[in-house]
Amino acid sequence: EVQLVESGGDLVQPGGSLRLSCAASGFTFSSFSMNWVRQAPGKGLEWVAFISDSGNSIYYADSVRGRFTISRDNARDSFSLQMNSLRDEDTAMYYCVRSPRMSRVGLDIWGQGTMITVSS
Amino acid sequence: DIQMTQSPSSVSASVGDSVTITCRASQSISSWLGWYQQKPGQAPKLLIFPASNLQSGVPSRFSGSGSGPDFTLTINSLQPEDFATYYCQQGNSFPLTFGGGTKVEIK
Repeated sequence: EVQLVESGGDLVQPGGSLRLSCAASGFTFSSFSMNWVRQAPGKGLEWVAFISDSGNSIYYADSVRGRFTISRDNARDSFSLQMNSLRDEDTAMYYCVRSPRMSRVGLDIWGQGTMITVSS
Repeated sequence: DIQMTQSPSSVSASVGDSVTITCRASQSISSWLGWYQQKPGQAPKLLIFPASNLQSGVPSRFSGSGSGPDFTLTINSLQPEDFATYYCQQGNSFPLTFGGGTKVEIK
């Protein structure tokens, strides 16, 4: 079964740091690009970051660029999101999401999500 | 950035009705549009990508059409399990962007 499982969600103070991880199974992880997408409580979906299959191409949303870092370990079938200088507005459910193997970016497999709450 | 404008923001319908949701991109995205269904407390699920390509396992009552800036998602013969929120997403260029969502509610 194709599966993505996030971990690392927590309550953190503004200005703090957190690292999210996503473990992949059921597919050849090294052949797929991956993303983080978030959803604030009661709000819509916001794409956060993308990393290509090799890790050579990385993109970020403006709202997180310079504070968040996406990375992957193809040997361990996992990827991560290092989140620094967290703000109240980063409070959200964070989903790790696979992109299908196409020339442009869809989001075909989603994890169940991990909740980040930024609050003092 | 490409802005995605989705309408309506909500629609009330009955079981058996047909519903059409539209999504307009602020510039051409060719056919690189996805449609997602999200039920309360669940992760979104990809229904269609790109534009008219139904994902495996998605019922055929769902269909997508359009290209360039204008797209539609049609749900024929609404079933109880279809009441959810639907999002469009452009995959043509970074940053990836989503529409604001359409909540399909029971009339």
